[in-house]
Amino acid sequence: ELKVEQNPLFLSMQEGKNYTIYCNYSTTSDRLYWYRQDPGKSLESLFVLLSNGAVKQEGRLMASLDTKARLSTLHITAAVHDLSATYFCAVAHGGGADGLTFGKGTHLIIQP
Amino acid sequence: DAGVIQSPRHEVTEMGQEVTLRCKPISGHNSLFWYRQTMMRGLELLIYFNNNVPIDDSGMPEDRFSAKMPNASFSTLKIQPSEPRDSAVYFCASSLALLAGAHNEQFFGPGTRLTVL
Repeated sequence: ELKVEQNPLFLSMQEGKNYTIYCNYSTTSDRLYWYRQDPGKSLESLFVLLSNGAVKQEGRLMASLDTKARLSTLHITAAVHDLSATYFCAVAHGGGADGLTFGKGTHLIIQP
Repeated sequence: DAGVIQSPRHEVTEMGQEVTLRCKPISGHNSLFWYRQTMMRGLELLIYFNNNVPIDDSGMPEDRFSAKMPNASFSTLKIQPSEPRDSAVYFCASSLALLAGAHNEQFFGPGTRLTVL
């Protein structure tokens, strides 16, 4: 059974600081996703990582994937208040049209 | 593009009643997913379809839950009879599933918030 663990589950930080969210998964997969969810809203796709060593960046967020370690990271650089949200990583079950197994999410609060 | 459309957005019902949730995927997408989100269990995959065919329904909680996809532009998730523990936000997502190795990004609808009293 595929398991996805995120840490930390809760993070409060100040604007301007850097931090990293970690996502470990238990079995081999060919796709890893990062989503953002604002309170009461749906999930917004941030990144899709396909291969070992993949790195993607969008603004102050950068995601990476190490398939050998079964680890993905989401790094936040010089955080701003607008990045406050819950961030989920999700792992695909296999190739093709497969469902996702989600981590429990990291609730991020960025204090002005 | 209108994105994934779900209805109703909110549903309040009494225990024992039948509930039907509806989803219209993004036009041209060939895979559709139903997820449920609760505080206790987080986000869980219930079932997914590829080309209107159910592929994996192992996440469906029990026989009270059923899902159909009669055509490429419409799916329903039905709960009969509903129970208070079914209260959750139900998300529908769709993707254009290509070959293995493609990123098959899933786009989520706004969700249906279900409350069973």
